[in-house]
Amino acid sequence: LAKTTQPISMDSYEGQEVNITCSHNNIATNDYITWYQQFPSQGPRFIIQGYKTKVTNEVASLFIPADRKSSTLSLPRVSLSDTAVYYCLVVLSGNTGKLIFGQGTTLQVKP
Amino acid sequence: DAMVIQNPRYQVTQFGKPVTLSCSQTLNHNVMYWYQQKSSQAPKLLFHYYDKDFNNEADTPDNFQSRRPNTSFCFLDIRSPGLGDAAMYLCATSRDRSSWTYEQYFGPGTRLTVT
Repeated sequence: LAKTTQPISMDSYEGQEVNITCSHNNIATNDYITWYQQFPSQGPRFIIQGYKTKVTNEVASLFIPADRKSSTLSLPRVSLSDTAVYYCLVVLSGNTGKLIFGQGTTLQVKP
Repeated sequence: DAMVIQNPRYQVTQFGKPVTLSCSQTLNHNVMYWYQQKSSQAPKLLFHYYDKDFNNEADTPDNFQSRRPNTSFCFLDIRSPGLGDAAMYLCATSRDRSSWTYEQYFGPGTRLTVT
């Protein structure tokens, strides 16, 4: 299983861009990288998923270098409501149905 | 709106008294998952159903069982809850298990307290 490592916590201010980097050194060829967001007392929510290069949606961007050993979630112009735990996961290829959550990054956005 | 519903949101049970948590979904997804999340920890997968096919995680205690009587409903049974089973229990669904369609939709969770 590809283990992920990400910072335990980060602080930011409203309006700033936040970049959370995750390392996954032993990612397999067909694995995907996916990010989830979790607010207190709620279930996680899917943010974005990618395989390589860059993926962008209405919420975030995901940058994946060519070697795929790391990825960076970019949140543009964060607000207080973006305060949450962000989980980086490597999705196992094939029909396994597993999401293995790492410790996550607690992002605190300050006014 | 299509969604994942968990009942109850809060459940209190006594040590050793069986408890059942329920999950329903209106997404018509093939796969349903149960996760355990203890305080300040990441969610941990207990098991999942792919249609009627049950898939247990190797380290899930025998105390935890699950039933999926139909596509929409899935239950988590804890046969003899211990104090260490106090946690948030999260139900999730996905359309299938391939990487292409891997988004999982989580319910709000049931917070279980064991007294």
